[in-house]
Amino acid sequence: KAGVTQTPRYLIKTRGQQVTLSCSPISGHRSVSWYQQTPGQGLQFLFEYFSETQRNKGNFPGRFSGRQFSNSRSEMNVSTLELGDSALYLCASSPGTSGLQGDEQYFGPGTRLTVT
Amino acid sequence: GQNIDQPTEMTATEGAIVQINCTYQTSGFNGLFWYQQHAGEAPTFLSYNVLDGLEEKGRFSSFLSRSKGYSYLLLKELQMKDSASYLCAVHGQNFVFGPGTRLSVLP
Repeated sequence: KAGVTQTPRYLIKTRGQQVTLSCSPISGHRSVSWYQQTPGQGLQFLFEYFSETQRNKGNFPGRFSGRQFSNSRSEMNVSTLELGDSALYLCASSPGTSGLQGDEQYFGPGTRLTVT
Repeated sequence: GQNIDQPTEMTATEGAIVQINCTYQTSGFNGLFWYQQHAGEAPTFLSYNVLDGLEEKGRFSSFLSRSKGYSYLLLKELQMKDSASYLCAVHGQNFVFGPGTRLSVLP
């Protein structure tokens, strides 16, 4: 089974621009979660999508948004980029079939975004 | 609120045993996970606990006490390649990750 893939792997953007990151989950997985990882804040939850619906959301401003397609692929968008948005953005997929049982998350390699 | 605490750094010697503790306070509880993350790489799954007790998986074991909001990861027969960050994560309403414990294994 292919793992979680993320594109692009590296990205350099200028303050004020917007960016779209893509994530393809493991085949059969319906849940995709996005995380931001920085040296100072660690792994922080952005949002989770399940069956094309945002199921959970973390404490990030509205500049961060996402969506999920019918094939479970997901994109996240960050508008009006700020220097502080420089981070590793990780996508994780899981079966997501039940919120009553823990689902192991499989992480993609991440997209390293640098905002200058 | 949701809060997960882990020691920031630990050091151990090759061949030894090390225990990494994790305490948590979260909204809801569906399971506790431990992940390993090498520098510059994505986290990889190590273990999962949903019931109280010890789960053993080769050189790695994880313990959970839900009433105490406490877990630990036990690594035996440490190897140099075990030098990494170890992340405790609780699946409650969301996945909440702890800050990670950076483990250095010395020869």
